[in-house]
Amino acid sequence: NAGVTQTPKFQVLKTGQSMTLQCAQDMNHNSMYWYRQDPGMGLRLIYYSASEGTTDKGEVPNGYNVSRLNKREFSLRLESAAPSQTSVYFCASPLSGSVAYNEQFFGPGTRLTVL
Amino acid sequence: AQKITQTQPGMFVQEKEAVTLDCTYDTSDPSYGLFWYKQPSSGEMIFLIYQGSYDQQNATEGRYSLNFQKARKSANLVISASQLGDSAMYFCAMREPYNQGGKLIFGQGTELSVKP
Repeated sequence: NAGVTQTPKFQVLKTGQSMTLQCAQDMNHNSMYWYRQDPGMGLRLIYYSASEGTTDKGEVPNGYNVSRLNKREFSLRLESAAPSQTSVYFCASPLSGSVAYNEQFFGPGTRLTVL
Repeated sequence: AQKITQTQPGMFVQEKEAVTLDCTYDTSDPSYGLFWYKQPSSGEMIFLIYQGSYDQQNATEGRYSLNFQKARKSANLVISASQLGDSAMYFCAMREPYNQGGKLIFGQGTELSVKP
């Protein structure tokens, strides 16, 4: 997936622990998004950032916070993890320019398990 | 509210045959984008094809084509000459206008199995 990186790829947490998922894009895009995917379901938007310095809630924001540190980086924080947050998390950013303008690239995903 | 519906939880197709995956959408915005993504068992999201709401012609990308019927609000994916490597989950998604955030709204997905 060109230009969108996520860390870590896997994580196991105990209930109540905190962690931050990191996302970076090297495509100089304004918009970045965090989605979660639960088993057998499509992706649902947690938070997004339309530009550096702005963030907005998506469909399922409860239990999460985000930071748009700069144009490249958009992090997702779980302050007190709960088993319901066990999911696969994807960061995404659209590609701009010419024919590929409408493609939204996804990072490889973070598989999070909360025990 | 915008919504994407994929009514086929699972589909089977014989290798080398064509298959159509259904997708219907609902929106009141005149400007939107429709996407199809493939998710193999390894988990990554792979972009396949895009159709803009104002595009006059159906989008095509190699063996993938999008049958866009605007009046019916449908955006079905057609895969021609199926290959074993096409076995995966397929997601239809709609993008809101960028002035509303440009968020993608996903359907539930269709699991495609290609039989040898």
